[in-house]
Amino acid sequence: AQRVTQPEKLLSVFKGAPVELKCNYSYSGSPELFWYVQYSRQRLQLLLRHISRESIKGFTADLNKGETSFHLKKPFAQEEDSAMYYCALSPTGFQKLVFGTGTRLLVSP
Amino acid sequence: DTGVSQDPRHKITKRGQNVTFRCDPISEHNRLYWYRQTLGQGPEFLTYFQNEAQLEKSRLLSDRFSAERPKGSFSTLEIQRTEQGDSAMYLCASSPRQAAYEQYFGPGTRLTVT
Repeated sequence: AQRVTQPEKLLSVFKGAPVELKCNYSYSGSPELFWYVQYSRQRLQLLLRHISRESIKGFTADLNKGETSFHLKKPFAQEEDSAMYYCALSPTGFQKLVFGTGTRLLVSP
Repeated sequence: DTGVSQDPRHKITKRGQNVTFRCDPISEHNRLYWYRQTLGQGPEFLTYFQNEAQLEKSRLLSDRFSAERPKGSFSTLEIQRTEQGDSAMYLCASSPRQAAYEQYFGPGTRLTVT
């Protein structure tokens, strides 16, 4: 079975604090892992892809195959990071995305 | 190019009626996906097209649901005999041949079945 678990519905931090949004997955093969983000009144958009190993808007995510996790991290949160974040996996072939339930990040001044 | 577009943006219908939604992908994107999102959940995959061929359908897609992409460009999703449980946001996404991993989402069609 393919499943993505995001245990936190809401994460509230102050500006400048570190952020970690948790994501665990289950999949028998080697999936591609992604983080998608939806800012207020905007469309869902790709933030990070595990294979690229990039830092986007200060966010990074490391795939831990042993723990089947793909947590999203940022050392210093900004107010503009407030959004809904979805972790997603794609089985081999990019035929679909399997999303978690999402975590709402609120960054307060 | 303004991205993926969906029409209508909102639809209110009575139980038992049929509804049809349209998605226009980014031009030259060969892959097109439909997802459904209910309150508090992430998007759930419904079906996927590569060009005009429908290659995968979720078990969520009951026989009341049908999707087409007749010329490999726009797509339609029809729901027959709507039920209250069909109330959701219906999202369309497309991805390009050279970067199939990146899906570009439309704004969605919000369906309310009364």
